[in-house]
Amino acid sequence: DTGVSQDPRHKITKRGQNVTFRCDPISEHNRLYWYRQTLGQGPEFLTYFQNEAQLEKSRLLSDRFSAERPKGSFSTLEIQRTEQGDSAMYLCASSFPGDGETQYFGPGTRLLVL
Amino acid sequence: GQQLNQSPQSMFIQEGEDVSMNCTSSSIFNTWLWYKQDPGEGPVLLIALYKAGELTSNGRLTAQFGITRKDSFLNISASIPSDVGIYFCAGIRNAGKSTFGDGTTLTVKP
Repeated sequence: DTGVSQDPRHKITKRGQNVTFRCDPISEHNRLYWYRQTLGQGPEFLTYFQNEAQLEKSRLLSDRFSAERPKGSFSTLEIQRTEQGDSAMYLCASSFPGDGETQYFGPGTRLLVL
Repeated sequence: GQQLNQSPQSMFIQEGEDVSMNCTSSSIFNTWLWYKQDPGEGPVLLIALYKAGELTSNGRLTAQFGITRKDSFLNISASIPSDVGIYFCAGIRNAGKSTFGDGTTLTVKP
């Protein structure tokens, strides 16, 4: 399978715990994006990377959120001191400049904070 | 900020009927994308549009990039039960984030 992969697919945690999600983009894609989606809404942009550089961060990305892409390949999204309002689907997407910036999404990680 | 207004919010149609949904914005986008999302899964790309006025088909799906660059529509012809799902439009202004509509939920009755 050469698509975008995300791990884990589901995560249940208690309020106050830290969680980390991983995204592996399509191999030749140098841009990687994180989105958050809540029920009944479209995905909302969180941040994106070009290679290892984090180029844009949304105001939705509070200080408790941090994303990295250390070698320009896979990326991690960490949420510290989780809150119930963090419960959502976290989606990763990747794109390649030669493909018109078309973003291809992974299956998502569904987070439930109890 | 940039907002996409997607309509209708939901549709209930009979198998075999045609479907039309659209997205409008107060801002210009340089790329329009249409995705379908099934429950518990990520959005799957259906059609990508890169030029104002462009009309593109993918099987029974047809989408157009509005000439003003502020809107797009998606048509599905001869709907079938597996067309059920949530359809999202997304606009890209520059390299980087996509702005999404809130989706059109499609229900197809056999």
